[in-house]
Amino acid sequence: QVQLVESGGGVVRPGGSLRLSCAASGFTFSSSGMHWVRQAPGKGLEWVALIQYDGRNKYYADSVKGRFTISRDNSKNTLHLQMISLRAEDTALYYCAKDAGYSNAHSFDYWGQGTLVTVSS
Amino acid sequence: DIQMTQSPSSLSASVGDRVTVTCRASQTISTYLNWYQQKPGKAPKLLIYAASSLQSGVPSRFSGSGSGTDFTLTISSLQPEDSAGYYCQQSYSTPYSFGQGTRLEIK
Repeated sequence: QVQLVESGGGVVRPGGSLRLSCAASGFTFSSSGMHWVRQAPGKGLEWVALIQYDGRNKYYADSVKGRFTISRDNSKNTLHLQMISLRAEDTALYYCAKDAGYSNAHSFDYWGQGTLVTVSS
Repeated sequence: DIQMTQSPSSLSASVGDRVTVTCRASQTISTYLNWYQQKPGKAPKLLIYAASSLQSGVPSRFSGSGSGTDFTLTISSLQPEDSAGYYCQQSYSTPYSFGQGTRLEIK
């Protein structure tokens, strides 16, 4: 069965850095686009970034562009999110999500349990 | 960037009711619209993709419709386990965006 397990969250000071990871299993990781989606406490969902199956193309939300970098290691079935210059408004539960691969929709058919990032002094 | 607006932000309905949630895009997105259900403390779950296609394993009481800028999620006969948050999401162009969510409560 598909499993996505995030790690790397924690408490960091404003301006600090953090690297999130997502270990994938149960599907052909190297054939799937992958996303990061976040949810601030008590708030709605916010799409953060997308990386295509081969890592060639990456896309970001305006709110994180230039500060966050999405990457993947297909040999280790792992997705990463490198976050720098963190701000209080980046505080959220970060989910990795698998792209369903439907030709007519970039939808997210499997999600991890999330890893919590708290930016606070 | 495309903005997604859901309505209502919350609603309360009884078991067996027909419930409708609407989502409007700030520009045309064809049928690049997905719906998710999220229960407290859980990750979201994909219900509907491409506006009207039912994700595998999702009960048939859930349906979606619409194209262009206006979309609808319908629950034909509300069940107690449908108490949750519901989100629309456009995948027409990046940055992908979600609606602000609709909280559905069972009376």
